[in-house]
Amino acid sequence: EADIYQTPRYLVIGTGKKITLECSQTMGHDKMYWYQQDPGMELHLIHYSYGVNSTEKGDLSSESTVSRIRTEHFPLTLESARPSHTSQYLCASSEEGEPYEQYFGPGTRLTVT
Amino acid sequence: ELKVEQNPLFLSMQEGKNYTIYCNYSTTSDRLYWYRQDPGKSLESLFVLLSNGAVKQEGRLMASLDTKARLSTLHITAAVHDLSATYFCAAGGNYGQNFVFGPGTRLSVLP
Repeated sequence: EADIYQTPRYLVIGTGKKITLECSQTMGHDKMYWYQQDPGMELHLIHYSYGVNSTEKGDLSSESTVSRIRTEHFPLTLESARPSHTSQYLCASSEEGEPYEQYFGPGTRLTVT
Repeated sequence: ELKVEQNPLFLSMQEGKNYTIYCNYSTTSDRLYWYRQDPGKSLESLFVLLSNGAVKQEGRLMASLDTKARLSTLHITAAVHDLSATYFCAAGGNYGQNFVFGPGTRLSVLP
């Protein structure tokens, strides 16, 4: 069973606030990912990391930033939240090698008012 | 660029019936992943298909992969209400590629 955690699970916050979504995994995976998903819609990759001090932007442009200082931790930060950031954010991780399967955390549902 | 399509996007079926969800991808990928997502929840891994001709079964779901046709299928046998969910396929993952997810198939099994 995958051990990947996200906090908070739900967050309602006002416009302009700075927020950090936490993601941690205990599997020692080098690769970690952030996806954004509107309810019932496609997943969009917004950030990924292949290891410590490695971060890349994904396919969907995002105003968020990420950091990877420790293998197990991959936080996502929004400096100034806006209503357009309202969405579900899913964190995932995978091993470097076979079978490259991604394991997902429970998600953070963000609402910006 | 790898693109993944699913067909159908919406599926409403009666309990007890059989149906197949199709997943096509655009460029070479020798692996395919299926996930399930319940409303408001995260993604749960269903199947990992790692070679041409791979077939895996779990309960009423069976997945297969044809890398030559760039096609994977998810077959549902004698559907039950508990299978109602959105099913995503994803390709890529190796050769330096990130996963690319399909748009999802929203399945509703009616009594």
